[in-house]
Amino acid sequence: NAGVMQNPRHLVRRRGQEARLRCSPMKGHSHVYWYRQLPEEGLKFMVYLQKENIIDESGMPKERFSAEFPKEGPSILRIQQVVRGDSAAYFCASSPPELETQYFGPGTRLLVL
Amino acid sequence: AQSVTQPDIHITVSEGASLELRCNYSYGATPYLFWYVQSPGQGLQLLLKYFSGDTLVQGIKGFEAEFKRSQSSFNLRKPSVHWSDAAEYFCAVGVRNFNKFYFGSGTKLNVKP
Repeated sequence: NAGVMQNPRHLVRRRGQEARLRCSPMKGHSHVYWYRQLPEEGLKFMVYLQKENIIDESGMPKERFSAEFPKEGPSILRIQQVVRGDSAAYFCASSPPELETQYFGPGTRLLVL
Repeated sequence: AQSVTQPDIHITVSEGASLELRCNYSYGATPYLFWYVQSPGQGLQLLLKYFSGDTLVQGIKGFEAEFKRSQSSFNLRKPSVHWSDAAEYFCAVGVRNFNKFYFGSGTKLNVKP
């Protein structure tokens, strides 16, 4: 059973461009969470999704950020018009239907030039 | 509001010495508690978790943690540290509906030969 997969692992964007981060949860997992980790800081919750539904997006900035988890395919975290402050590691986690534990992917390191 | 505090930002121990990493949480009900480890450039790996029952839980890699309700703590311990344990350790609290996890800011462990 493959773990949580994220791609790309590293992403470089110039200010004003769009960043698309993808997350494939573990097989059988129907819940996806996105977190952001700034340098020298812990993980901050951004959004929690189930298939085709956003359950909790209280940690996600209101502008420029969006997330989806379609019926088919990976979950996508999209950042429009990136700014230097968006540079961070973005982690995806998934959990099975009974919730409980979250399993993390390796992260996507975004660098905005 | 829920919060997780890891008071030690950096800890250095000698190889073979014992280790205790502190974690305190603030949450109105009995929380679900987790410890994760993150190696440089990697994602988070689950070390152990506490949901209910025995307050001393065993995890992988020889780690254990004890839940103390009276102190709102969930400290991580290892009797003899190995050089490969050098990493960053995160304590996390899962709230009842599992909409999100709250993470501490992490403790970086350095192991001296």
